[in-house]
Amino acid sequence: EPEVTQTPSHQVTQMGQEVILRCVPISNHLYFYWYRQILGQKVEFLVSFYNNEISEKSEIFDDQFSVERPDGSNFTLKIRSTKLEDSAMYFCASSEAELAKNIQYFGAGTRLSVL
Amino acid sequence: AQSVTQPDIHITVSEGASLELRCNYSYGATPYLFWYVQSPGQGLQLLLKYFSGDTLVQGIKGFEAEFKRSQSSFNLRKPSVHWSDAAEYFCAVGRVSNDYKLSFGAGTTVTVRA
Repeated sequence: EPEVTQTPSHQVTQMGQEVILRCVPISNHLYFYWYRQILGQKVEFLVSFYNNEISEKSEIFDDQFSVERPDGSNFTLKIRSTKLEDSAMYFCASSEAELAKNIQYFGAGTRLSVL
Repeated sequence: AQSVTQPDIHITVSEGASLELRCNYSYGATPYLFWYVQSPGQGLQLLLKYFSGDTLVQGIKGFEAEFKRSQSSFNLRKPSVHWSDAAEYFCAVGRVSNDYKLSFGAGTTVTVRA
């Protein structure tokens, strides 16, 4: 069964450093998403991406964040200068079509620890 | 803005007993509703979804959920739990429009005792 793959599973970084979280969505999917879950809190939407541009982003997704689809298979989330409060589990998801009439498939997540 | 409430943070059930997880949503239009499960070290796996039609939906692993518009609820049920059902369960809402994001509840952790 096709799945969304995220690497690494755990990333430790120093405050102020840049990190790139990587995702390989399901191959025929067209919509890509990033969510995060701070320990003990809800899973929160960050951004959706379609046709090489951001479709929607939350207020969390400020100028420190960016997303990119550098090739035909990868989808990345970059945090330019990490802060302690960026520590969270980050989930990538993809869907075959927009949310209406379709579902999002999630990866296992990358746990980001900012020290 | 849409919101999702899962009133139970943690539920403990005996193996073989029935399970019901509550989910209430606040939304100004017809929602799309989902239940996801997360086992330790795993991603979020879709259990079932409701878009329209029959308000009782069947999912994987023997789970079902019932949409009740009058109560703004989408409760998840399983008649007889197995030890492998121990996990965290998330209810999520999506909007019926060009809104791509899912709004999640805080999750309910299910512990299964022998």
